[in-house]
Amino acid sequence: QVQLQESGPGLVKPSETLSLTCTVSGGFISSYYWSWIRQPPGKGLEWIGYIYYNGSTNYNPSLRSRVTISIDTSKNQFYLKLSSVTAADTAVYYCARDLRCSSTICDDNWFDPWGPGTLVTVSS
Amino acid sequence: SYELTQPPSVSVSPGQTATITCSGDKLGNKYACWYQQKPGQSPVLVIFQDTKRPSGVPERFSGSNSGNTATLTISGTQAMDEADYYCQAWDRSTGVFGGGTKLTVL
Repeated sequence: QVQLQESGPGLVKPSETLSLTCTVSGGFISSYYWSWIRQPPGKGLEWIGYIYYNGSTNYNPSLRSRVTISIDTSKNQFYLKLSSVTAADTAVYYCARDLRCSSTICDDNWFDPWGPGTLVTVSS
Repeated sequence: SYELTQPPSVSVSPGQTATITCSGDKLGNKYACWYQQKPGQSPVLVIFQDTKRPSGVPERFSGSNSGNTATLTISGTQAMDEADYYCQAWDRSTGVFGGGTKLTVL
C-alpha cells in the first residue's frame, strides 16, 4: 500500500525558508492530489495546500503568500517551501495523499494515508 | 473563513457509546470526514463522506451529518479508542479542520 515519508531539516532560523520533501512509495504519485498539513505542538491540524500530479496547486489563503508546493513525478516526490518563517511556524509537518471527489454531486476531500510527520522548529 | 467547532473533551465508559460532534454553518450541505490521532502518531482516517468507513476501520465507528452538525459515533467503545479526534471539511477550495476532541475512556 502507499506509504509517505517526510524529510528535511529539523531546525530552521527565523526569516529563512523551510524546505521539506515527501517521498511516496508503494504506488505512483501520478493521478492523485497530495497535501501538506501541519500541527503546532499540543495544537490542532492546519491544511497548508495541495498539488496535483500535473503541477496545479491550491494553497490555504492564510499561508498563500509564503508557500510553494512542487512535485517531481520521476522521483515520486513532492516538496514544501515556506518562506520568512517565524516561531509560529514551529510544528509537526505531515504529507498526505489527498483524495478528492469533484463533480456535480460532490466537492469534498479526505486525507489518506498520512506520513509519520517531521518536527520543524524555528529558532535562532 | 469557514470554521468547524468541536467540544474539547468527551468522556465515556468502556462498552458505552461515545458521541463527538462537529458544528459548522450548513455543514450538512457539505461532506465531513473524521480522523483519529493517538499520542505521538499521525492522524488516521476513520470516516469519509459523512458515513463511509475505510477498509480496516472497525464497524463500531460510524458517522452522520445533517443541518449544522456532523457526528462521529463509537459504539461499544474500547480502551484502544482513547485518542484525539478531528473533523474536516472542504469549503471554497480550502481544507478546514475542527479543533479536535480528546476522547477519554474511563
